[in-house]
Amino acid sequence: NAGVTQTPKFQVLKTGQSMTLQCAQDMNHEYMSWYRQDPGMGLRLIHYSVGAGITDQGEVPNGYNVSRSTTEDFPLRLLSAAPSQTSVYFCASSYESPQSSYEQYFGPGTRLTVT
Amino acid sequence: GIQVEQSPPDLILQEGANSTLRCNFSDSVNNLQWFHQNPWGQLINLFYIPSGTKQNGRLSATTVATERYSLLYISSSQTTDSGVYFCAVVSGYNKLIFGAGTRLAVHP
Repeated sequence: NAGVTQTPKFQVLKTGQSMTLQCAQDMNHEYMSWYRQDPGMGLRLIHYSVGAGITDQGEVPNGYNVSRSTTEDFPLRLLSAAPSQTSVYFCASSYESPQSSYEQYFGPGTRLTVT
Repeated sequence: GIQVEQSPPDLILQEGANSTLRCNFSDSVNNLQWFHQNPWGQLINLFYIPSGTKQNGRLSATTVATERYSLLYISSSQTTDSGVYFCAVVSGYNKLIFGAGTRLAVHP
């Protein structure tokens, strides 16, 4: 299993440009999430999904869109990039089991700079 | 919402020393995870520990859910232990609430 994969690893955008960060998992996990990490801080939840076709907002959703058409993929779209969106973005997946309810597994991250 | 506080914010150790990192949370939680973020930014799952004690090599963790805290123990620290240690609790389905982290530097 590749686990949680993210592309690209690095991206530089100009203010106002749009782009999509890709996230995929091959563990058949039902839950997927996007977080951002700003310098010196912990991660904050942007959007999450509890299954294909179902998404919801997290703590910092403004400026981002998501969709979940398949179990495996959960892309994050930046509609009009702003310098405040400069951050490292992590995708995570999880599942519910009696042994490890919602234990989350993270991808390697995408480092985004908006100039 | 749930607040997660970690202490100390920064820690400097000599190789071979032991340390204890603390995580306090403001409300009852079902799930708690400890992560290590290495200097390259990768997040590594250390423990899933909603309660009780677990050990994995030189690392161990204890969560006392009724008193709303968790401890991460690092024994015989190595330079490869350097990085940031995060505690995170689950709110709702799968929404992790992270603490600000403890930055650990282990010197040879």
